[in-house]
Order: sequence, then C-alpha cells, then structure tokens
Amino acid sequence: KAGVTQTPRYLIKTRGQQVTLSCSPISGHRSVSWYQQTPGQGLQFLFEYFSETQRNKGNFPGRFSGRQFSNSRSEMNVSTLELGDSALYLCASSVDTYGYTFGSGTRLTVV
Amino acid sequence: KQEVTQIPAALSVPEGENLVLNCSFTDSAIYNLQWFRQDPGKGLTSLLLIQSSQREQTSGRLNASLDKSSGRSTLYIAASQPGDSATYLCAVVVTGNQFYFGTGTSLTVIP
Repeated sequence: KAGVTQTPRYLIKTRGQQVTLSCSPISGHRSVSWYQQTPGQGLQFLFEYFSETQRNKGNFPGRFSGRQFSNSRSEMNVSTLELGDSALYLCASSVDTYGYTFGSGTRLTVV
Repeated sequence: KQEVTQIPAALSVPEGENLVLNCSFTDSAIYNLQWFRQDPGKGLTSLLLIQSSQREQTSGRLNASLDKSSGRSTLYIAASQPGDSATYLCAVVVTGNQFYFGTGTSLTVIP
C-alpha cells in the first residue's frame, strides 16, 4: 500500500513569504500529525488533526497553522517566514493512536 | 512535561558486534513507545512499537524492551551490519497522540 506522501520534497523561500506544505496519509488513516526537525531543537510537535479537527497543538507561534480535509489529506501553512523556520517538516499518519507512519518530509530552506 | 533522553548520543562499533541503545522518559503515563531509524536527510522509518501494556517486541535482529515503571526502554541490535548505520530515535506517545522524541543515537557500524 502507498505510504505517507509529502509534497514538495524541497522548497526554498525568502524571508517574509508564506509557504504551504501538503501531506497525504495512508488510506484509511484519519490522524495526521506534523513535526518540525532542526539540528538544534530536534523533533518538535506542531499539531495533530483527526477527522478534520485539530486535536492537539504544540508550542509554536500562530504563524504555523494547519488544516485537514474530508479525505484526510492535510496541509500546513507558515506565514511570514523567518530564517529559523528552515527545517525538515515531517508528517505522520495513523488510524488513531496505534502505530504512526512517517513521510519522507519536506525540506524547507528560508533565505 | 515529558522529557526523553537517549544515551549514548553517538556510537561506533565494528561489524558483527551486538549493541544496546538506551532511552529514558520522565513521565510513565504513556500510550506506547516507538523506535525509529532515520537516515541522513530522510524521514523516519518505524522499527518497533511497544504498547504500554507490553514488555518487549522483536523484529529480526532487533529487540526492544519497555519498563514503564522505571521510564526506560532499550533497543538491542544483534550482529550489527554497516547498513545499520543511521540515527536511532526513541519516541513516546502521550495523550493527544503527541510524540515526544529523544535526541537520538547516531550509530556507525565499521566494516
């Protein structure tokens, strides 16, 4: 079966711009979570969606937002990009609480 | 707040050696614990998942144990191979389906 698909794989943006990342979960998975990975902070939780509702949110500023569609696909948006937003953004999906599968990530570089 | 620590941060072993990676967490109220592997610049590959009611899981040359009461997990890799070289991450799932990740152990297996 197809895994978790994240697009695009790589992205270069300029400070002040906004960006939208996409995540298509495994078929049948209704929970989608987003994580940011940086060398200094490691993997940090952004938010989790289940059946189009945000169930949990990490400690990130309001510039980071997300949504989930009725087909469980999810997008995350970062507005007013800062240099520190450069990171690998990972999406994970699960049926609910059991066994998350991660995508390959989107590498965002802010210049 | 849940904190996850992994020791050692880096490990270099000759091929064929058995090795143990350690993970500790501060809050024992977890749903499950998952071990992941991450190759440079890539996403996370799930290795083993241990439910909170379980003590261990095995897959091939990998064995993971969980002692929830003491807040510890170990990942045992038997007969290490150069292809095992990667960063190994331990993560616990708490309420809200949020992963708390450790900082990882970078493993190098020398041919």
